Amino acid sequence: QQQVKQSPQSLIVQKGGISIINCAYENTAFDYFPWYQQFPGKGPALLIAIRPDVSEKKEGRFTISFNKSAKQFSLHIMDSQPGDSATYFCAARSRETSGSRLTFGEGTQLTVNP
Amino acid sequence: AAGVIQSPRHLIKEKRETATLKCYPIPRHDTVYWYQQGPGQDPQFLISFYEKMQSDKGSIPDRFSAQQFSDYHSELNMSSLELGDSALYFCASSEWGGNSGNTIYFGEGSWLTVV
Repeated sequence: QQQVKQSPQSLIVQKGGISIINCAYENTAFDYFPWYQQFPGKGPALLIAIRPDVSEKKEGRFTISFNKSAKQFSLHIMDSQPGDSATYFCAARSRETSGSRLTFGEGTQLTVNP
Repeated sequence: AAGVIQSPRHLIKEKRETATLKCYPIPRHDTVYWYQQGPGQDPQFLISFYEKMQSDKGSIPDRFSAQQFSDYHSELNMSSLELGDSALYFCASSEWGGNSGNTIYFGEGSWLTVV
């Protein structure tokens, strides 16, 4: 049972376009929501993260929008570039477990065409 | 900046053999996590350690064990290997895992192929 649901599974965008990836969760104990970017054969790398007390966070071309009541959050990549082509994972972390594991969504394979 | 170091990067083992993966966390990080990622799948949490004690346990098979040593490096031991164990194994580290806002940094992974 996937605790964090992510969509779409794959996304193709033209260079300069906006890429939007959505995630939803059920566990209200989650209080930290990072997005990771992963290139083939590499480890996931933190892109941007948000806490539920903030509705939006922007870093460069990357923006997280967070809707606490709907338990949904999304990643927007503005002016998408071919170098952004990678797999993106949303994740969530709970304050309730001392080890504070990350729970990942299923991932979105983004392709940005030149 | 120093990153999470994993070794070996690639490993080929036969069924029923044993494998050991090593992880060296970022300096001053006291929490280590192990994840398993199959092809086209999201990383699945296996186990974590804080200050050398197991802090959380996920979907780690009984054939696997792990520990964190006094220098904070960690080892994942996998015995009686099965074909289904073939995957990319990530180690990650963070400052105290009890603070959910502390960033978790991942290593480059160890590719295990079981033949």
